[in-house]
This record gives sequence, C-alpha cells and structure tokens, in this order.
Amino acid sequence: NAGVTQTPKFQVLKTGQSMTLQCAQDMNHNSMYWYRQDPGMGLRLIYYSASEGTTDKGEVPNGYNVSRLNKREFSLRLESAAPSQTSVYFCASSEGGGVFELFFGSGTQLSVL
Amino acid sequence: AQSVAQPEDQVNVAEGNPLTVKCTYSVSGNPYLFWYVQYPNRGLQFLLKYITGDNLVKGSYGFEAEFNKSQTSFHLKKPSALVSDSALYFCAVRAVGGGATNKLIFGTGTLLAVQP
Repeated sequence: NAGVTQTPKFQVLKTGQSMTLQCAQDMNHNSMYWYRQDPGMGLRLIYYSASEGTTDKGEVPNGYNVSRLNKREFSLRLESAAPSQTSVYFCASSEGGGVFELFFGSGTQLSVL
Repeated sequence: AQSVAQPEDQVNVAEGNPLTVKCTYSVSGNPYLFWYVQYPNRGLQFLLKYITGDNLVKGSYGFEAEFNKSQTSFHLKKPSALVSDSALYFCAVRAVGGGATNKLIFGTGTLLAVQP
C-alpha cells in the first residue's frame, strides 16, 4: 500500500519557468491538500480539495493553481515560478471532515533560482 | 482567527527522562487537536488526536497528550524519552463550529533532541 505518492522529489527551476507537482493517493480518501513547509513557518496550506470536483484556497494560494483530476489525483501548478516559492511541498489526504488525520507524501524539494 | 503556538523551537532531554513538548491554541469553536512527527527528509506522520472525551489521549510510540480547555493547551508528553524520538513535532488544530473555517492549522514545530 503506497499511501500518498508525490513526484518529483527534487526540482530546480529558473525564475519564470512553470511546472506541475503531481500527487496521488490510493486510500480512497475524499479530501486532499497541498502544503508548503518553510523554516520557522511550519506548514502552510496552499489549496485543498474537500471532495472530488471541489477546490478551495488555503492560507497562501497566490502564484499557484490546482486541479483535482479525479478522486485519486491532486496536482499543484506553478505558472511562473518565483524565488519566494522555494520550499518543500507536501501533499496530504484524509477521509474528510474535521475528525480524520492527514496522511502525507514524502515531499518535493523545490528550488527557484 | 484560529492559531497554534509552539513556544519552544527546540527541546533537549536526556534519554530515559520524561519529555514535554508544549502547544497552545486559539479557536472560536470546539477544537480538534492533533500531533504529528516529522523525521528527516520525510513527510509528517500522525501521532495522536483529541476530538472529545477523556482529556488524556494516548498515541503511537508511547506518546500521550493532555487537553486542558481552561489553559487552551495540548502538551505532548512521554514518560521516558528514546534517542529515536529525536524529530520535529508539530501541533495542529481544526476548529469546528463558531464560524470557524474547518481548516487544519499547524504550529511552527518543535525540534526534540534526545541525548544518549
């Protein structure tokens, strides 16, 4: 059982380039999330999808777009990368609702030069 | 606005001694509280949660946490620390009702260092 799978694990971009981070879960979870982790800032929610077909902004959505492709997959797109988007990105999923814990992927380390 | 505070960036403890990692929260409704652990170069892993009921909740790897409503705290504890407990610990809160957003908010993390 793979859980939550993120690709790629590492990526280096130049300012202005675009890229998509992929995330897939095999636990039949309803909700999926994208977080970024920065030193001293903890984890901050970028976007989330409470259920298939819905997406909502989190704390720091500017510069990002998401797509909930189906129940399994939730992608995060950077249209024009900026150095401020250098971070570690985590995808997570949960059964949905406030009671259930999140299951995290292993992360994508992104550097924007 | 809901928030979580972890007042200590780092906690140092000797192996075999009890450990406490502190967390306080601020929400407008009733809180759902969580603790997660992150080992180097890994994603976060769930440790335990408080939803309702007994104020002392037990979780994975011998960890427990005490919910204190009057002090709005949810401190993580373990009676006897292991070197393998060394990791980054995150507290998180989700507010329910009271006009809250129902989003999970994380603290900034506390690095636990257990010395042999």
